[in-house]
Formats: sequence, structure tokens, C-alpha cells
Amino acid sequence: EVQLVQSRAEVKKPGESLKISCKGSGYIFTSNWIAWVRQMPGKGLEWMGIIYPGDSDTKYSPSFRGQVSISADRSINTAYLQWSSLKASDTAMYYCARQSVAGYLDYWGQGTLVTVSS
Amino acid sequence: NFMLTQPHSVSESPGKTVTISCTGDGGSIAANYVQWYQQRPASAPITVIFEDIQRPSGVPARFSGSIDSSSNSASLTISGLRTEDEADYYCQSYDTVNWVFGGGTKLTVL
Repeated sequence: EVQLVQSRAEVKKPGESLKISCKGSGYIFTSNWIAWVRQMPGKGLEWMGIIYPGDSDTKYSPSFRGQVSISADRSINTAYLQWSSLKASDTAMYYCARQSVAGYLDYWGQGTLVTVSS
Repeated sequence: NFMLTQPHSVSESPGKTVTISCTGDGGSIAANYVQWYQQRPASAPITVIFEDIQRPSGVPARFSGSIDSSSNSASLTISGLRTEDEADYYCQSYDTVNWVFGGGTKLTVL
């Protein structure tokens, strides 16, 4: 069974760094792109970027380029989303999702809630 | 930039049929595939339509997708509405460098 399990909820202060994770299982992790999607409180879905764990090829949404960093460690089947200096406006639920061969997001993680508050 | 516009909300009664539109702006809706995602409260999204009209396994045939080039829009139609269909629905497509989501439509089944 394909599963994406994300790291637990985080509460951080502005200016702090953070790295959240998304661990895949039940399939060959290096064979599918992994996307990250943001959902701010009460708002819609926003595509942040995508990584191919096979070779770490990464594409960013222009809206998020330079604001976050996406990476993967294929030895432990895990993708990451990282901030070097959080802002209150980064408060949101973050989902990882697997891109199927057909190109759509076929499996989603349960989401990681990030709260940034002083 | 390519954008997708959806109605903020729609409502319909159980057993009826509802159609949610997704209108492209800044490009042709037919240039790239459109997907539809369902998100129930406090849950992660799931795909109900991919490649404009395809249903993933496990999604009931009550869900169907279509494209209308003349209106530059995609549509998600749900027939035989059930209370469990009450959710937010998002269309999604692509532009040259980006995945693009519509703003979402809240479906109320009452």
C-alpha cells in the first residue's frame, strides 16, 4: 500500500528555521515526483514545487522560489520542505503528494500544520 | 500568467446533479490537462478526475469531467448527490512553469 507519512505539527517563532518531512513507502520512491502544496488557514491549495527523488531535479513555483527549499534523501525514502527564516505568513498546512505516471497527484500525505507566532 | 476561476460556492439537494465550472484566463484550457480534487473538512485532498475526463479507480461513476473550448472552461459534474459529497472542490492545470489551482468551490448538499 502506497503511503506518504508527514512529520508532526510544529510551532515556531518568527525568524526560526524549520525542516518538515514526507516519508514514502509501498512503492519505489525514486520513480515518482513528490510535490509540496500549501494551504493557508481557510484558503485554497497552492503548488509550491516538486522534486524527483531519483536525481533530485527540483522545480519551484515562482511564488515560492527563494522562500523555501525542497530536497530529498532517497536512502531513507524521504522528501523535505525547509525554511531558513520563518515568517508569521508561513502559518499553514503543508501537504506532500506523489505525482502519478499519468501526471496527477494520486497519493497525499496527511499534512503538517506549521504555526509561526511570537 | 494562466489562472483558473471557480465559483465560490454551489448548493444542491441530495439525489440531484450539480456542475462546478473552472474557467481559464490567460491561456487555453485545452492546452493542458485539468484535474479535479475533492477536499472534505479536516482531510487531505483526493483526486476525483484527472486528464480532463478520467476517473481514478475507486471514484464513483457519478463523478465526471469535461472540457469546453468555446467557453475556455472545464467542468466537474456530480450526479446522484450524496451528503458525503459535501466538500471543497479544486480544479488544477498547468502553465509553462507552474501548476495552477483554482480558488476552490464549496459544495453544500442540503
